Amino acid sequence: QLVLTQSPSASASLGASVKLTCTLSSGHSSYAIAWHQQQPEKGPRYLMKLNSDGSHSKGDGIPDRFSGSSSGAERYLTISSLQSEDEADYYCQTWSTGIQVFGGGTRLTVL
Amino acid sequence: QVQLQESGPGLVKPSGTLSLTCAVSGGSISSSNWWSWVRQPPGKGLEWIGEIYHSGSTNYNPSLKSRVTISVDKSKNHFSLKLRSVTAADTAVYFCARDLPGDGFDYWGQGTLVTVSS
Repeated sequence: QLVLTQSPSASASLGASVKLTCTLSSGHSSYAIAWHQQQPEKGPRYLMKLNSDGSHSKGDGIPDRFSGSSSGAERYLTISSLQSEDEADYYCQTWSTGIQVFGGGTRLTVL
Repeated sequence: QVQLQESGPGLVKPSGTLSLTCAVSGGSISSSNWWSWVRQPPGKGLEWIGEIYHSGSTNYNPSLKSRVTISVDKSKNHFSLKLRSVTAADTAVYFCARDLPGDGFDYWGQGTLVTVSS
């Protein structure tokens, strides 16, 4: 079964960097994912597509502070030079034929 | 730039049918993309409901499949969601999104809150 696992919460200080993790279920380590940001009271925003080899392509207008990387079944989103507006929920998404799957989301707090 | 806008009643009675429409602008619904509905119960995460291609082909979340119908109207450049036999558990913000094949959902609507209550 295709499942994405995310830690429920993370925190980091203003100006620092943070690395969020999304883990693919067993047997699905070659899958690409997408990362989305959802700021409070807003709809999700597409950040990037992230491949199993760590290559990624970002959405329109996404700052260079956002980057992605991969290792095995883990997919990472790194946000550098944290700003207050980065405080949000971050969701990973993947897909297979006829199905879309979201992770449970990570709530990022900027201290 | 593609924009999506959800519309429909904000209140539905239990056992009734939830009906929403997503208007697509800045692009054609007949392009090589799938179009999805996603929902988010208050304080919870995202749940995929289903998707449609402009040909009318559909895929649904198995957990909702028996109650969901998604349709497309190419002449109006919009697609729609019907969810039957709703209960309070269907109370959520409903989003529509464009699925760029192989890339994920690259455009989202701002969402519309639907409350199921008598």
